[in-house]
Amino acid sequence: AQSVTQPDIHITVSEGASLELRCNYSYGATPYLFWYVQSPGQGLQLLLKYFSGDTLVQGIKGFEAEFKRSQSSFNLRKPSVHWSDAAEYFCAVGANTGNQFYFGTGTSLTVIP
Amino acid sequence: DAGITQSPRHKVTETGTPVTLRCHQTENHRYMYWYRQDPGHGLRLIHYSYGVKDTDKGEVSDGYSVSRSKTEDFLLTLESATSSQTSVYFCAISGGTGVGEQYFGPGTRLTVT
Repeated sequence: AQSVTQPDIHITVSEGASLELRCNYSYGATPYLFWYVQSPGQGLQLLLKYFSGDTLVQGIKGFEAEFKRSQSSFNLRKPSVHWSDAAEYFCAVGANTGNQFYFGTGTSLTVIP
Repeated sequence: DAGITQSPRHKVTETGTPVTLRCHQTENHRYMYWYRQDPGHGLRLIHYSYGVKDTDKGEVSDGYSVSRSKTEDFLLTLESATSSQTSVYFCAISGGTGVGEQYFGPGTRLTVT
């Protein structure tokens, strides 16, 4: 069965520090992987996606993610965090059936000055 | 931003009453989805649609029904609301064929008292 695990419920980083949010997936075929960000009271915004090809993908707001098939991981990174990056981050895997998505439970990011 | 609106944005209702939430898109996308978001669960798929009058169940469909009579509108109905259906409900859309990114509406906060 398809599933996504985000092991870190909450992460706190200092502004300017680097960030890595973890995501592990379980999927029987080639995965389609996504990261979304949700600011308080808002909907979800797509940060980046991986379908195929280069395993390092670039997204908006300076984020990148690396697909590692051997580790079933798709971790999100940012070299220098800004206070405005404080939000909830969701990893998702897409399935071909009805284009369904399976979401992780999210990681809440706090940025301290 | 994708043209997705949800109405109402906030609703308080009593246990046992019927409730209908509306999702409207202006993108002419084929797929539409209803999710609910609860703390500790991330987003869970309730129902989705892959065309007019074509719908299917998601992970947490019990107690919910949907209808799609036009490409642009996807309705979610709680036939008899229960307190366990207190949640934030998100609509999403996706176009094309195969697996593609989903775009989310702003959400509806529903409280069942």
